[in-house]
Amino acid sequence: EVQLVESGGALVQPGGSLKLSCAVSGFDSSGSAMHWVRQASGKGLEWVGRIRSKSNGYATAYGASVKGRFIISRDDSNNMAFLEMNSLKTEDTAMYYCTNKQNWGQGTLVTVSS
Amino acid sequence: DIAMTQSPLSLPVTPGEPASISCRSNQSLLHSNGNTYLDWYVQKPGQSPQLLVHLGSIRASGVTDRFSGSGSDTDFTLKMSRVEAEDVGVYYCMQGLQTPQTFGQGTKVEIK
Repeated sequence: EVQLVESGGALVQPGGSLKLSCAVSGFDSSGSAMHWVRQASGKGLEWVGRIRSKSNGYATAYGASVKGRFIISRDDSNNMAFLEMNSLKTEDTAMYYCTNKQNWGQGTLVTVSS
Repeated sequence: DIAMTQSPLSLPVTPGEPASISCRSNQSLLHSNGNTYLDWYVQKPGQSPQLLVHLGSIRASGVTDRFSGSGSDTDFTLKMSRVEAEDVGVYYCMQGLQTPQTFGQGTKVEIK
C-alpha cells in the first residue's frame, strides 16, 4: 500500500522556522517529483513548491508567496521529502500536504501565531 | 503565472443526473511534447485531495469511469455521468505546465 506520511507540524511564532518531513512507503519515490501543497482552514489548495528527481537535477520551484523563505529537499535513500520553512508569517498557517500528485499524505498542521 | 478559473463555484446536483465543471486557463496548457498538463482533483469532506484525471483526460488508477476529463488548449471540462452521494466534495483543476503550478478556486459539489 502506498503511503505518504507528513510530520513536523507545530505551533510556531512569527519569524520562526520549522521543518516538515514526508515519509513515503509502498513505492520508490526517487523517480517522482515531490510537491508540497497547503490549505488554510476553509480555503482552497495552494501549490507551495516541488523538487524534481535526480535525473532532472533535483530542480526546485516555489510559489511566489514562499519563494526565498521555504526550501524543499529530498533524501531518496530513505524515501523522504522535506519542507524547510523560515521567516514564518501568520499567513503561512495551513495544513501542509506532500504529494506526487498520484498519492497524497494526510497532512500536517502548521500554525503561526504569537 | 497561469491563472485557472473554474465555474460554477457551487454545484447542487441530483443523484443519478449528470453534472459538469468547467476550468479555463489564461494560457494554453499544451506542451511542445504534445501533452496537456491539466489535472482534476477532488477533496471529499475531511479528507486529503485525490487525483481523478491527469493530462487532461486520463483517469487516475482506480477512478470510476463515471468521471471523464476533456478539453484542450485553455478550455477543460470534468464530467460526471451519473452523480452519486459519495461524489460530494470540492473539485479542483490544476495546471502543471509551468511553475508556479496553480489551482482553480474549487467547485463545491453538493446533493440537492
